[in-house]
Amino acid sequence: KNEVEQSPQNLTAQEGEFITINCSYSVGISALHWLQQHPGGGIVSLFMLSSGKKKHGRLIATINIQEKHSSLHITASHPRDSAVYICAVFYGGATNKLIFGTGTLLAVQP
Amino acid sequence: NAGVTQTPKFQVLKTGQSMTLQCAQDMNHNSMYWYRQDPGMGLRLIYYSASEGTTDKGEVPNGYNVSRLNKREFSLRLESAAPSQTSVYFCASRGGYYEGETQYFGPGTRLLVL
Repeated sequence: KNEVEQSPQNLTAQEGEFITINCSYSVGISALHWLQQHPGGGIVSLFMLSSGKKKHGRLIATINIQEKHSSLHITASHPRDSAVYICAVFYGGATNKLIFGTGTLLAVQP
Repeated sequence: NAGVTQTPKFQVLKTGQSMTLQCAQDMNHNSMYWYRQDPGMGLRLIYYSASEGTTDKGEVPNGYNVSRLNKREFSLRLESAAPSQTSVYFCASRGGYYEGETQYFGPGTRLLVL
């Protein structure tokens, strides 16, 4: 079982829809990252969270530390949002490394 | 600033051949990382360098070696390539000392080992 679980694995949406991608992890963490990987491979960091909520444009990321769960929301989705969205967690301490989920492939159709 | 650059972008090798993947960053970052990405699996850490002059094994180091040539450059070497090393390789760097801080990724190198 992967330490970082994302759902759904694949998601198809119509342009304009509200999208939610979920990430769950197994033990307490110091920080959680959301990353975006476009077709062609480039990976870009979207958010780093240790608590609460962050917003950037149409993207909103939330984290619930007690429930070990984070969500990435996209409002008014657009075909250019089509990408793989990756959750990664940092446990800190002796682990001291990022652990990545397998990603959610999002396709937004016009 | 170019950010994190990687060369080559694509490479085809035969089993047993060797090659070096190059990575450079111009952000004056202390830490650099090499990951591999395989279908159905998350990015996995091969090696990392927390600072110039130091390197450490990650999750999947077997079959690879690294060199932190200077603060800017971190290379990954496959001494004797195997088909299991067919993958997409990403280099990343991070500026601060807190490991949870944002990492900046290169564009990736697609490697096919026949």
